[in-house]
Amino acid sequence: EVQLVESGGDLIQPGGSLRLSCAASGFTFSSYSMNWVRQAPGKGLEWVSYISSSSSTIYYADSVKGRFTISRDNAKNSLYLQMNSLRDEDTAVYYCAREYSSSSGRRSFDSWGQGTLVTVSS
Amino acid sequence: EIVLTQSPGTLSLSPGERATLSCRASQSVSSSYLAWYQQKPGQAPRLLIYGASSRATGIPDRFSGSGSETDFTLTISRLEPEDFAVYYCQQYGSSRGYTFGQGTKLEIK
Repeated sequence: EVQLVESGGDLIQPGGSLRLSCAASGFTFSSYSMNWVRQAPGKGLEWVSYISSSSSTIYYADSVKGRFTISRDNAKNSLYLQMNSLRDEDTAVYYCAREYSSSSGRRSFDSWGQGTLVTVSS
Repeated sequence: EIVLTQSPGTLSLSPGERATLSCRASQSVSSSYLAWYQQKPGQAPRLLIYGASSRATGIPDRFSGSGSETDFTLTISRLEPEDFAVYYCQQYGSSRGYTFGQGTKLEIK
């Protein structure tokens, strides 16, 4: 069974830093691209960042570019999100999500973690 | 950047009725890159449809997706009580990453 378990969420002051982790199990982690998606309280989904299976390709949403860094450790089956210069508007539940890419090129997020809450507030 | 606009914002229907949810893109989107998700309160999203029309594993056949270019539709043929939730469409924009629509809330009438 595919499992994604996020951790690291906390209450943090504006301007602070936080590192989120996502522990993967039940599949060959090194074969899949991964993503972070966030959801502010009562709001919709916002894609945050993408990392390819080998870490060779990385994308960020404009809203976090230059402040957040995605990384992974395939030996530890883990995905990370380093968040710096945090702002009030970064308050959200952060989900890690596995990307499914079919042989015909179709792409989607087929497995999600339960999320970890990051609250940025003074 | 491609913007996805979902309509209606809220849809009020009764169990047994048919639901039609729309997702309109600001530019043409490859059907391969269009997906639909369901999210219930306090839960993570769940993949329903990928490639615009392919059902994900375990998704009942009352859910169907269609459309192309800028207009996509999620149809639930006959609503069950467990289908009342928020639905999101999503597209992949290559180096621009992914974008989601703002969501459609399907509520019990």
